[in-house]
Amino acid sequence: GAVVSQHPSWVICKSGTSVKIECRSLDFQATTMFWYRQFPKQSLMLMATSNEGSKATYEQGVEKDKFLINHASLTLSTLTVTSAHPEDSSFYICSARRGLAESYEQYFGPGTRLTVT
Amino acid sequence: DAKTTQPTSMDCAEGRAANLPCNHSTISGNEYVYWYRQIHSQGPQYIIHGLKNNETNEMASLIITEDRKSSTLILPHATLRDTAVYYCIVRSWNYGGSQGNLIFGKGTKLSVKP
Repeated sequence: GAVVSQHPSWVICKSGTSVKIECRSLDFQATTMFWYRQFPKQSLMLMATSNEGSKATYEQGVEKDKFLINHASLTLSTLTVTSAHPEDSSFYICSARRGLAESYEQYFGPGTRLTVT
Repeated sequence: DAKTTQPTSMDCAEGRAANLPCNHSTISGNEYVYWYRQIHSQGPQYIIHGLKNNETNEMASLIITEDRKSSTLILPHATLRDTAVYYCIVRSWNYGGSQGNLIFGKGTKLSVKP
């Protein structure tokens, strides 16, 4: 299957600072990328969907000004957690799909564990 | 909310077949059944998907009932490395919109024991 990478794999930051997480599709062009969040012992929750060159579509309850998503190229999407607080500590997982149509498969990155102290 | 119901947990002996059930009684005609799994602290891994016919690949088999209201994922010879949370997801293939997004439920925690 296709490969999706994330960087960093884990990060610790202080409360009030911002953290950027990168998601790359290594061997295909991802027209659509997704960001999920997973708290301990819970399932993945979709945060937002982004199409290359367009603004991201956020799920209900996700603050777009706090979680900034940029999908500037077909192989790279970034999630910036601004003014992070301890409650933002979570496992963030990106996913990428080749095209707009859902008939294309969706591949997941390995995740980034964020700890805010 | 997820459109599927799965048992919370299951055990399976190493080397035996693992049969993971999933109910999706409200599935509509343009929705596929997808299975992913997540090994602890990793991203989800695609396993298999199907519409109405049974499907098989190198990882697993997917059996979908004729009325499409339920399905079973079969791992023919489970190994310790198959211990993971398995997610059954129904997903439409409409162009665009949010219907095609993968929405994860709670899944089934499969424990393969020696």
